Amino acid sequence: DGGITQSPKYLFRKEGQNVTLSCEQNLNHDAMYWYRQDPGQGLRLIYYSQIVNDFQKGDIAEGYSVSREKKESFPLTVTSAQKNPTAFYLCASSIGLDQPQHFGDGTRLSIL
Amino acid sequence: QKEVEQDPGPLSVPEGAIVSLNCTYSNSAFQYFMWYRQYSRKGPELLMYTYSSGNKEDGRFTAQVDKSSKYISLFIRDSQPSDSATYLCAMRRTRADGLTFGKGTHLIIQP
Repeated sequence: DGGITQSPKYLFRKEGQNVTLSCEQNLNHDAMYWYRQDPGQGLRLIYYSQIVNDFQKGDIAEGYSVSREKKESFPLTVTSAQKNPTAFYLCASSIGLDQPQHFGDGTRLSIL
Repeated sequence: QKEVEQDPGPLSVPEGAIVSLNCTYSNSAFQYFMWYRQYSRKGPELLMYTYSSGNKEDGRFTAQVDKSSKYISLFIRDSQPSDSATYLCAMRRTRADGLTFGKGTHLIIQP
């Protein structure tokens, strides 16, 4: 089945640690996105990538980093510089930037 | 004023009722409008995608856009308990812009 796979489903981080969230898609989509969802707030865009080896900052990129070495994969690293990392992280993809976005089932990150 | 306003609910209605979900927005440049459904601990699922003003129907769902009033609606006919979820509106100015999301409305369909 085609889709977007995010792993792990739950992730715990100690203070001062970097963690990487995985996002893989087999939809042959060019564009990929990372959002953060907090209780009572809408989704906020962290980073997006239009094509391989290219990515752009979204509205809340500080404390995060990404890479896009393969079309299928767009991992997100939450660095120790992110002061409030506890959230639900959602990865999305679309055929192109101008097409509807489809989402994975998210990773919930918590701080120990 | 926030760019996109959406009542968080919860909105509770009996099974079989017609549900009306709404968003208002302040930026008149928004042209593309989407509705997503999100079940608990899951990612959003695209329900409807519309451009500019007018209506679009897909099964039990109808999306309505009134750009003059900066108001969009999602109607669900013959509501089912499985429709219980959070409904997010999203919109953007041009085809290549990022999405601006509402905070979502929590809908409960009572059996």
